[in-house]
Amino acid sequence: ETGVTQTPRHLVMGMTNKKSLKCEQHLGHNAMYWYKQSAKKPLELMFVYNFKEQTENNSVPSRFSPECPNSSHLFLHLHTLQPEDSALYLCASSQGQSSNQPQHFGDGTRLSIL
Amino acid sequence: AQTVTQSQPEMSVQEAETVTLSCTYDTSESDYYLFWYKQPPSRQMILVIRQEAYKQQNATENRFSVNFQKAAKSFSLKISDSQLGDAAMYFCAYKGSNYQLIWGAGTKLIIKP
Repeated sequence: ETGVTQTPRHLVMGMTNKKSLKCEQHLGHNAMYWYKQSAKKPLELMFVYNFKEQTENNSVPSRFSPECPNSSHLFLHLHTLQPEDSALYLCASSQGQSSNQPQHFGDGTRLSIL
Repeated sequence: AQTVTQSQPEMSVQEAETVTLSCTYDTSESDYYLFWYKQPPSRQMILVIRQEAYKQQNATENRFSVNFQKAAKSFSLKISDSQLGDAAMYFCAYKGSNYQLIWGAGTKLIIKP
């Protein structure tokens, strides 16, 4: 079992659907992250939570809504998505946000918008 | 703003040979961290090696080592004795005072048997 688990692994949805991505970390970390990975582009940081408090929102459209109920769980609620939102969504966690702490990643959710 | 550039979209190497992946970055900070991550087809991003900018000694992890040139803002990854399992996308990343990882676009490494 990996330290960071993401479900579902694949998700296909229409533009009018509402769905949620789930991330759970078993590493005792207190910081969690959502990234968007599109083909041939650098990873884009979307949201950061530190001790359940959102510390970063990198100009992400409101159709993406994060939720962090505790330090081990992170959700990304999706609604009214656009075709350009199709990508791999990666969750990561780390022991704090300080510079020397590496981030540990899940396997990602491959999202396809019809 | 900081940027990270990986100029090689794809590299190939013969199994058991050595390959070097390049990474350059731009920053005005003096204290920061640099990372190399590997992403195999399984999609999980795995930390390969990290370097602290204040350390002059190049980091080494078994067959993986870096050539850190702070003045040139260069951070290349050398993989010795390449193995089939090394085939993956390799990403260089920078982490500075704002604690956010800045990523390069990646290099696809192909291992020829």
